[in-house]
Parts: sequence; C-alpha cells; structure tokens
Amino acid sequence: DSGVTQTPKHLITATGQRVTLRCSPRSGDLSVYWYQQSLDQGLQFLIHYYNGEERAKGNILERFSAQQFPDLHSELNLSSLELGDSALYFCASSGGGGGTDTQYFGPGTRLTVL
Amino acid sequence: AQSVTQLDSQVPVFEEAPVELRCNYSSSVSVYLFWYVQYPNQGLQLLLKYLSGSTLVKGINGFEAEFNKSQTSFHLRKPSVHISDTAEYFCAVKRDSSYKLIFGSGTRLLVRP
Repeated sequence: DSGVTQTPKHLITATGQRVTLRCSPRSGDLSVYWYQQSLDQGLQFLIHYYNGEERAKGNILERFSAQQFPDLHSELNLSSLELGDSALYFCASSGGGGGTDTQYFGPGTRLTVL
Repeated sequence: AQSVTQLDSQVPVFEEAPVELRCNYSSSVSVYLFWYVQYPNQGLQLLLKYLSGSTLVKGINGFEAEFNKSQTSFHLRKPSVHISDTAEYFCAVKRDSSYKLIFGSGTRLLVRP
C-alpha cells in the first residue's frame, strides 16, 4: 500500500458524459501528479500540482482539467468523453516535487467509455 | 526530447532462472532513473531508483539495476526469479529540472514453473 488513495476504482460511462476522479496523496506530500495508461499510448504524464498550484502540463487534452484543493486532495475532471478516453488513470504523490523526489502511485481508476 | 526504450515487450523465463530486463534512455542532461512494477490489476510499485552515487542499485524483492552512463542504460536484473515476479515492469526517467516521469513501454515478465 503506497498510501495514495484513488476513487472510484472503476467507472463506466457513456460518450459525451463528464466524470470526476479523486485522489488523496500520502500524508505530508504536497505534490500530486496525474498519469494516463492506455494500450496505444502507454503511460503518459498529464499534469502536476504542488500545494494547490499547477506546476506542469503534459499531454492533457483541453477537455480534461484538474485541481488541487487546500486539503491537498486532487480531482481530475474529464468532459465530453470519447471512446478513446477509456484508460487507467493514475495519481501519484511526492513530498516536494523536486528532481530527486520519488513518486508513489495510487491503485488507479479504470475508466470505460461506452 | 527525452525517451526511454524497453527493447523487450515480453520476457519468458523459467522459475529460479536469472533474468535481465533492458532499459535504455536518451538524454543530454543528468537524469534520475526508476524501475516500477505493476502486478495484474494493481498500481505501480517502486522497485528501485538511481539518483546519484553507486551505479549498482539494490531494490525490493531481490532486484538490482546498474546505471551505465556511457551506454545510457539502466538494466534490471534478478539472479533467481519466482512465479510471483510475473508482472509488467516499467523503466522511467526524470530530468532534474522536470517533475514528470517519462516511462518506457513496459516489459512483461512471464515466469513459468
């Protein structure tokens, strides 16, 4: 158990819908990262938040957005869902976000878009 | 741009045999290197990491990896594998100035009895 929690574990929805994925970092960690794992693209970095502020963006679609709240939990919002958005979405956390920080991953949320 | 190459998509091996999973990276600057393992239907678990210092890094479950700067490689090894080592293994790199991990495509280790 990494100490990072993600809910829900599974999510099945239809095209065009909007969903919210939630992540709670390890106690004391200030950084939260979101990654997408799909069969065709592998593991891709989406976005990084540090203590409530966005620090870096990766290959995140405009239909996707995220935020980190004052209690440090984070939410990833996916809207206008398409079949291709079906994937495993991971959240990771680390202490400060520096180069030597180790990222600890949650169990993931499996999103299926029908 | 940085990239990570895991040449083998699948490595079948018999139980108690040694194994090496290969990882090469491309970067013109200093990097930090990681190996993660993903068991079926689970998240990613850190096996080991290289930040600096000794090029031979020991991790959990008897795994070790060697950082080779001249060959830009970070191969993962285990002298004797168990059935329970069956999983997907991901090599990842992070630049000092970047907070994101860049992952390889993964290697599926299949341990047979």
